[in-house]
This record gives sequence, structure tokens and C-alpha cells, in this order.
Amino acid sequence: DAGITQSPRHKVTETGTPVTLRCHQTENHRYMYWYRQDPGHGLRLIHYSYGVKDTDKGEVSDGYSVSRSKTEDFLLTLESATSSQTSVYFCAISPRFSYEQYFGPGTRLTVT
Amino acid sequence: DQQVKQNSPSLSVQEGRISILNCDYTNSMFDYFLWYKKYPAEGPTFLISISSIKDKNEDGRFTVFLNKSAKHLSLHIVPSQPGDSAVYFCAAWGEGSGNTGKLIFGQGTTLQVKP
Repeated sequence: DAGITQSPRHKVTETGTPVTLRCHQTENHRYMYWYRQDPGHGLRLIHYSYGVKDTDKGEVSDGYSVSRSKTEDFLLTLESATSSQTSVYFCAISPRFSYEQYFGPGTRLTVT
Repeated sequence: DQQVKQNSPSLSVQEGRISILNCDYTNSMFDYFLWYKKYPAEGPTFLISISSIKDKNEDGRFTVFLNKSAKHLSLHIVPSQPGDSAVYFCAAWGEGSGNTGKLIFGQGTTLQVKP
């Protein structure tokens, strides 16, 4: 299994509070991705990174920001959480820009 | 605007029989199609892929068929085993036309294989 961890694994927060999710990898892969999984939608790309300090938007990036200051860490921040951001968030990594990505175990976020 | 669709939310089959999971897409510019498998409380894992220039790819018990004229692909699992019980996501990868570098996933189909 690829060395990917996500923290926290579960979080409950209130509307309007900031939230940061962390993805950590030990594979030294260049590409990292954040997805959200919702019923009826499958997984949707939020943001991705192609190197330290290099990031780009995915298809559902509104309300989210990301940062990557080290190869191994990719942070996803919800500046002001809303109930529509209740979801399961998955981080993924890949050594090249490819469809073959390795996913972390996910973070279940509930915004009340 | 769902570019990749899995119209069957669930499928139940008997152990040893064939499982057929279906997927439709709308964008003819996709370059690769693939299937990911997901167990509860785990992340998806890559299962099998097919290039848009092929019509079949086989890997052990898993075969993916691509019908470009119908914009349809399917995953066949033969024989099905209880350990195959999981959610299966169809996905597409495009190199251009607004989908560059994005994995576009379907909604998922939950497969249950009964012993």
C-alpha cells in the first residue's frame, strides 16, 4: 500500500469555522490531489498539486484553498465551513500526472 | 452535467456467477477509461484501465469492454467472489478539451456477491 495518511479521520465542526485537513505521504510522489465523495456524485476533484508551492483548481474548488510547502504534505482548508461541505474527503498521490492514483483512507467531515 | 454515469446504484450476484457493471459517458475526447474499487472506510484502489483505442482489456478475473460508438463501457468479473463485494467507480481521464488531467468519476455501483 502507498504510504498515505490523512488527519483527522473524523471531524465535526460548526458552520462558519475554519477547518484544515492534512494529507501526508511517504512515497515522495510529485502529484497530490484532494477529492470529495458525495452520494450521487462519485468523487470530484477539488484541487491538485504538481510540486511544492504549485497547485491548480479542480472542478469543485469554490470555498476551498490548498497549500503545499513540503513534498510530503498537502493541506486542504475550508476558510468558513458550510453544511454543503459535509462530505468524505480523499487525498490521492501519483508519481506522474496519471489516472493511476493512490488514495488515502479518507476524512469524514460533518458541518453542523 | 454528469459526464460519466453509472445508472445502477447496486448489483447483487451469486458467488461463482458473472458480475457485469455498466458505465456510460458523454465526452468522446476521453483518452482512458478505468475502474476503481472501494471497500468501506478505505480509499478507492485502481483496478483496471482501457485506452480509448482498444475495445477490450483483461486482467485475471476482470475484463473491461469499451464500445466507443455507444459511449459505453462495462466491467465483467468472472467468477465473482464474496471478496469482490465493494463499491465500483467507473472513471475517465482526458488529456484535452477541458478535462486535462482530471479523473472524472461516475456515481458508483455497490456490488454484493452472495456466498
